[in-house]
Amino acid sequence: NAGVMQNPRHLVRRRGQEARLRCSPMKGHSHVYWYRQLPEEGLKFMVYLQKENIIDESGMPKERFSAEFPKEGPSILRIQQVVRGDSAAYFCASSYGNGYEQYFGPGTRLTVT
Amino acid sequence: KNEVEQSPQNLTAQEGEFITINCSYSVGISALHWLQQHPGGGIVSLFMLSSGKKKHGRLIATINIQEKHSSLHITASHPRDSAVYICAAHFDGLTFGKGTHLIIQP
Repeated sequence: NAGVMQNPRHLVRRRGQEARLRCSPMKGHSHVYWYRQLPEEGLKFMVYLQKENIIDESGMPKERFSAEFPKEGPSILRIQQVVRGDSAAYFCASSYGNGYEQYFGPGTRLTVT
Repeated sequence: KNEVEQSPQNLTAQEGEFITINCSYSVGISALHWLQQHPGGGIVSLFMLSSGKKKHGRLIATINIQEKHSSLHITASHPRDSAVYICAAHFDGLTFGKGTHLIIQP
């Protein structure tokens, strides 16, 4: 049973480009969470999704960031027109349901040059 | 406001020592997580608990709901335990502490 998969593991983008981060949850998990870890800072919640629904996006920046979790395929975190301040590690986690233990992916390290 | 405080921020100990990391939170929660983040950056979930005590190998986690406090203990510590330990309180979502940087010296 594969764990939570994220790709790419490392992503380099120039300012103004788009970044797409993918997360495949553990088998049987229908809840996905995205977190961001800025350099030298703690983890911060971004968004919580179930299949085809955004449940809580209170941690998402208001502009340039969006997330989806389609019926088929991985969850996608999309960052448009990246800026240097977007450089961070982005982790996703999945769970069986709300309130259940979350299992983390290895993270995607985004570097904006 | 949902807040999670961890202490100590940094901890260096000798191999074999008993380690305690503390976590306090501000309001009622449904569960508390302890996570481990290694220098490579990956995050491993160690425990999720909502009451009492859990044990896994040399790791023990306890939680006191009335006092809004949890502890993570490591017995017979080893250099491979060196990592950042993060507690996360489950309010509506997870709110994370800043982490405890643990170094176990041989």
